[in-house]
Amino acid sequence: GEDVEQSLFLSVREGDSSVINCTYTDSSSTYLYWYKQEPGAGLQLLTYIFSNMDMKQDQRLTVLLNKKDKHLSLRIADTQTGDSAIYFCAVPNSGNTGKLIFGQGTTLQVKP
Amino acid sequence: SQTIHQWPATLVQPVGSPLSLECTVEGTSNPNLYWYRQAAGRGLQLLFYSVGIGQISSEVPQNLSASRPQDRQFILSSKKLLLSDSGFYLCAWRHRGGIYNEQFFGPGTRLTVL
Repeated sequence: GEDVEQSLFLSVREGDSSVINCTYTDSSSTYLYWYKQEPGAGLQLLTYIFSNMDMKQDQRLTVLLNKKDKHLSLRIADTQTGDSAIYFCAVPNSGNTGKLIFGQGTTLQVKP
Repeated sequence: SQTIHQWPATLVQPVGSPLSLECTVEGTSNPNLYWYRQAAGRGLQLLFYSVGIGQISSEVPQNLSASRPQDRQFILSSKKLLLSDSGFYLCAWRHRGGIYNEQFFGPGTRLTVL
């Protein structure tokens, strides 16, 4: 089945860029997603990219997709303390079952 | 617009007691519904999903069960809680069909079993 891997922790200084990486195994995915979870809250859909795109930019967020290497990344420019959260990448399960496979989540710590 | 509600927000229960968590969705019809558990410091584990009333698929063998008595209502239950059932329970929905797989999450229920 589908497997999605993320590093568990990233620490940056306020104002720096953050890059959160994700790798996946299945190549039949259509949309790929990034979610943000603030402490004690549910997951919030942050952004997504369609699998025929290499890059998508949305204000401070840039999503890069390397379909050949099955690698997805989320770049946050000018990282703020409010960006401190857990970030999950999610990839649709193969077979169009409507399920998403989530990575383990990357905890982003932003130091002032 | 669509909204998803979960209650209670927090719950502390003794081992061996029953459990009922409720999730309701507003503003959409025929959604796919999902229950996830997030253990402390860990990722999401899909527990159950449902594509329609009375249709439940279980992802992992466990002490929990799910039911969908109405189109936009999803309930997570247990007859006897275990310590290992502690965690953060998240309900989610998505539009049925199509190529859009994004799921929208509720605020979660924090369950502590003592």
